[in-house]
Amino acid sequence: NAGVTQTPKFQVLKTGQSMTLQCAQDMNHEYMSWYRQDPGMGLRLIHYSVGAGITDQGEVPNGYNVSRSTTEDFPLRLLSAAPSQTSVYFCASSWDPIVTMEAFFGQGTRLTVV
Amino acid sequence: DQQVKQNSPSLSVQEGRISILNCDYTNSMFDYFLWYKKYPAEGPTFLISISSIKDKNEDGRFTVFLNKSAKHLSLHIVPSQPGDSAVYFCAASESGTYKYIFGTGTRLKVLA
Repeated sequence: NAGVTQTPKFQVLKTGQSMTLQCAQDMNHEYMSWYRQDPGMGLRLIHYSVGAGITDQGEVPNGYNVSRSTTEDFPLRLLSAAPSQTSVYFCASSWDPIVTMEAFFGQGTRLTVV
Repeated sequence: DQQVKQNSPSLSVQEGRISILNCDYTNSMFDYFLWYKKYPAEGPTFLISISSIKDKNEDGRFTVFLNKSAKHLSLHIVPSQPGDSAVYFCAASESGTYKYIFGTGTRLKVLA
């Protein structure tokens, strides 16, 4: 029972490069989301999805794109990496958030942009 | 503009004593609150939640209290154990918005 799987665990990018952070869940959850965690800032919502084909912006969406073509996968794309995007990224999924807000998190991707 | 605040970055407690972690919020539309625990190099894990129709929720050693008039919630851990040493985040949401707003976290250290 894998839960929420994020790949890669670590990544170093050069400024201007693009990349995709992968997130997959095997719990058939409709709701998925991406957060970034920075020192002294807690977790901030980047984008979220309430089901396949439906995405919306969170608190800090600039510089990131998402798509949701299947229930299982919710990749996060960095279009042109900047040092300000150095952070730890967490993907989360949950059952219908109207019923319960409890989210299951992946182990995180530590991204460094140089 | 921080809508969810955890004003104590760290807390140390002796094993067996009570740990009290606090969280304040500013948005009166929040009606669902959660606590997550996070160990280093791991993702947060859900601990306990409370909706605004309640003022208390218990789960074993963990109890969350909600004071809506003060816009304040607290997590009590009794008795505290060394394995409870972690960073604790509170989070709040307004029903139907699908968005959680997290606090900055409190690092709890339980001393053996």
